[in-house]
Amino acid sequence: DQQVKQNSPSLSVQEGRISILNCDYTNSMFDYFLWYKKYPAEGPTFLISISSIKDKNEDGRFTVFLNKSAKHLSLHIVPSQPGDSAVYFCAAGGDTGRRALTFGSGTRLQVQP
Amino acid sequence: NAGVTQTPKFQVLKTGQSMTLQCAQDMNHNSMYWYRQDPGMGLRLIYYSASEGTTDKGEVPNGYNVSRLNKREFSLRLESAAPSQTSVYFCATSPEGRTQYFGPGTRLTVL
Repeated sequence: DQQVKQNSPSLSVQEGRISILNCDYTNSMFDYFLWYKKYPAEGPTFLISISSIKDKNEDGRFTVFLNKSAKHLSLHIVPSQPGDSAVYFCAAGGDTGRRALTFGSGTRLQVQP
Repeated sequence: NAGVTQTPKFQVLKTGQSMTLQCAQDMNHNSMYWYRQDPGMGLRLIYYSASEGTTDKGEVPNGYNVSRLNKREFSLRLESAAPSQTSVYFCATSPEGRTQYFGPGTRLTVL
């Protein structure tokens, strides 16, 4: 039972355009959400997070949107750069006392020069 | 300031062998975690430690044991490795139990 789903395994966009990565969740107890970026042979790097009391959080070129009624969040990257090419993981937490994260399966973003 | 370090980076084992994966952090974080990542899947929690002296099971604990040696170190032990444990293992830490910071990973192959 996948509680956090990233239904698009891959995404390709042109440099300078917007990248939109999507994530759906099923557990209504999740109260915070994060995006991680992962390059090959490296550990995931924290990118941006959002609490369930907000519907938007912005940090430079990265914006995360949360739609609680639809149990959906998205990461927007504007403008996309070739260095953004990586695997992006959506994660959610808050449903248990251990405060561990539940991860999606990832979306591979390729930004074409 | 190294953040989260993991040793070794790579390891090849034969079925039935044992080994310990080491994780150390200099971030003074209370919580530490062990995850595994398999192709096409997200990271899955093996064990976690909310604070020094405490450990608890995650989603996939079978075949593993952990030790929270002190605040800095959290080790993962495979007593009798199996091919199903071939994976990339990540250690993570967190100051408040929410945002987690990951080490570079250990790539383990069990033949």
